Amino acid sequence: GIQVEQSPPDLILQEGANSTLRCNFSDSVNNLQWFHQNPWGQLINLFYIPSGTKQNGRLSATTVATERYSLLYISSSQTTDSGVYFCRYSQGGSEKLVFGKGTKLTVNP
Amino acid sequence: DAGITQSPRHKVTETGTPVTLRCHQTENHRYMYWYRQDPGHGLRLIHYSYGVKDTDKGEVSDGYSVSRSKTEDFLLTLESATSSQTSVYFCAISPLAGNREDGYTFGSGTRLTVV
Repeated sequence: GIQVEQSPPDLILQEGANSTLRCNFSDSVNNLQWFHQNPWGQLINLFYIPSGTKQNGRLSATTVATERYSLLYISSSQTTDSGVYFCRYSQGGSEKLVFGKGTKLTVNP
Repeated sequence: DAGITQSPRHKVTETGTPVTLRCHQTENHRYMYWYRQDPGHGLRLIHYSYGVKDTDKGEVSDGYSVSRSKTEDFLLTLESATSSQTSVYFCAISPLAGNREDGYTFGSGTRLTVV
């Protein structure tokens, strides 16, 4: 199956800093989506981004499908951004949606 | 989360006993999914449903069965629980197959401990 690597696995920032999280894929994927799991375990849908760029406030995401990667940008980070960020995709458009192992982000005040 | 509830929220059970987890939605979404989350593995798909009585296996389906007799309910059953099934289980719902622009929503999770 398709291999996905999320980097970095862990990231610690001071409040106000910017960061870039990355998902690399070994093959082309479909239905690329980014999620945030907050420290209480709740999973929140951030972006559905099979290609191109989207922005929502301080967060933006870019997927370059031809080069098999997706990026999530967090600007002016806040402590509430802490948690784990996952990319999720499907293989060949199937319903079998696969999650990366996540990037754990800690934003310190 | 609004529109999707999981029950129970926490459960401790003994090895060898059957366990059923319930996912209930009020969104009338066609697609429902069960995932498990374990340290070092992220979220892994167990089973999913694409309609009433239509289900299929995910990547970690061994030891689990599912049923969907109504649009709103998707049940996950551990026929004979083992310690390796100690995990946090998440249900998710989605309105459409190919477009997940909107509506892909997770429940709050069920923490299951098998002793």
